[in-house]
Amino acid sequence: DAKTTQPNSMESNEEEPVHLPCNHSTISGTDYIHWYRQLPSQGPEYVIHGLTSNVNNRMASLAIAEDRKSSTLILHRATLRDAAVYYCIDDQTGANNLFFGTGTRLTVIP
Amino acid sequence: EADIYQTPRYLVIGTGKKITLECSQTMGHDKMYWYQQDPGMELHLIHYSYGVNSTEKGDLSSESTVSRIRTEHFPLTLESARPSHTSQYLCASSETGPGQPQHFGDGTRLSIL
Repeated sequence: DAKTTQPNSMESNEEEPVHLPCNHSTISGTDYIHWYRQLPSQGPEYVIHGLTSNVNNRMASLAIAEDRKSSTLILHRATLRDAAVYYCIDDQTGANNLFFGTGTRLTVIP
Repeated sequence: EADIYQTPRYLVIGTGKKITLECSQTMGHDKMYWYQQDPGMELHLIHYSYGVNSTEKGDLSSESTVSRIRTEHFPLTLESARPSHTSQYLCASSETGPGQPQHFGDGTRLSIL
């Protein structure tokens, strides 16, 4: 399984931007980087994914380092509903499994 | 908006019973997955399917079985439930192809007494 490294927890104030880092130093050239989040008592929710270029969608932005060994998920204005565990995943080409790891628990402070 | 549904959401049942957890998706996805997750722990893949009549075991050994007779339906069965099967079971689906995201249901929280 391709492992990623994330901080165990982070805090953010409501209405402020949040930058969630992830290291994926063993990523290969065709592996996509995926981000999911999981709220309490729910299944994981897809947030965003990318290969080389930075990506934006209605939920977040994904900034991918030029060497692709790290990425940052950016929530532009944190809300209380963004409090969740965020998982960064190296989606290995040809693999059937997404290795979720333990993720980063984001706490949003009102 | 993902359309994948799991029933029941919660199930408390006695040891030795046969259990079927239902999972259905309306997106026409060929690939489907079952994960197991204990509270506060990582997700582990227990079964997956490439399409109709395809089933494969995942990384985590499980006594459960699955079937894929229709594209939209991927039920998981435990023939004789035991307390060690107590966990949350999550179903997901995706399109086929590199980098396709998986869409998850809200899970079934199973407790075996």
